[in-house]
Amino acid sequence: QVQLVESGGGVVQPGGSLRLSCAASGFIFRTYGMHWVRQAPGKGLEWVAVIWYDGSNKYYADSVKGRFTISRDTSKNTLYLQMNSLRAEDTAVYYCARDLGDGGGFGYWGQGTLVTVSS
Amino acid sequence: NFMLTQPHSVSESPGKTVTISCTGSSGSIASNFVQWYQQRPGSAPTTVIYEDNQRPSGVPDRFSGSIDSSSNSASLTISGLKTEDEADYYCQSYDRSNWVFGGGTKLTVL
Repeated sequence: QVQLVESGGGVVQPGGSLRLSCAASGFIFRTYGMHWVRQAPGKGLEWVAVIWYDGSNKYYADSVKGRFTISRDTSKNTLYLQMNSLRAEDTAVYYCARDLGDGGGFGYWGQGTLVTVSS
Repeated sequence: NFMLTQPHSVSESPGKTVTISCTGSSGSIASNFVQWYQQRPGSAPTTVIYEDNQRPSGVPDRFSGSIDSSSNSASLTISGLKTEDEADYYCQSYDRSNWVFGGGTKLTVL
């Protein structure tokens, strides 16, 4: 069965950096696009970034463009999100999600990892 | 920017049918597929409808999705409501390399 397991969350000061990981299993990782989606405490879902199945394209939400970088390591079946210049408004649970395969939405979700940006 | 608007909350009794709407701000909502996600308190989202009206395996046929081009909206209908259906529901679509969520609808089953 498809499993997505995020890790790397924690408490970081404003202006700091953090790298999230998402270990994927149960499917052929190299054939699916992958996303990061976040949810601030008590708020709705916000798409953050996507990387194509082959890494050829990456897109970001305006709110994180220039600060966050999505990447993937096919040899390790792992998705990453490098987060720099973190702000208080980046505080959220971060979910990795597998693309449906048609590029339009999300088929499977991880359990999430909490990032708290606070001094 | 393309936006999706949902009612903040809906409520209905067990055994009844409820419909949650999702209205697109511009263009045609039928141009790209709409998905629906269920999120129970304290849990990650799960997909209940994809590609407008398709159910993933394991999702009961009490859940259905539709598109109404005349009102530029999508709908999630849940029939035979159960207390376990109480959750937040999010619609989602795609527009020019941007994946967009509605604000979410809190469904109360009482």
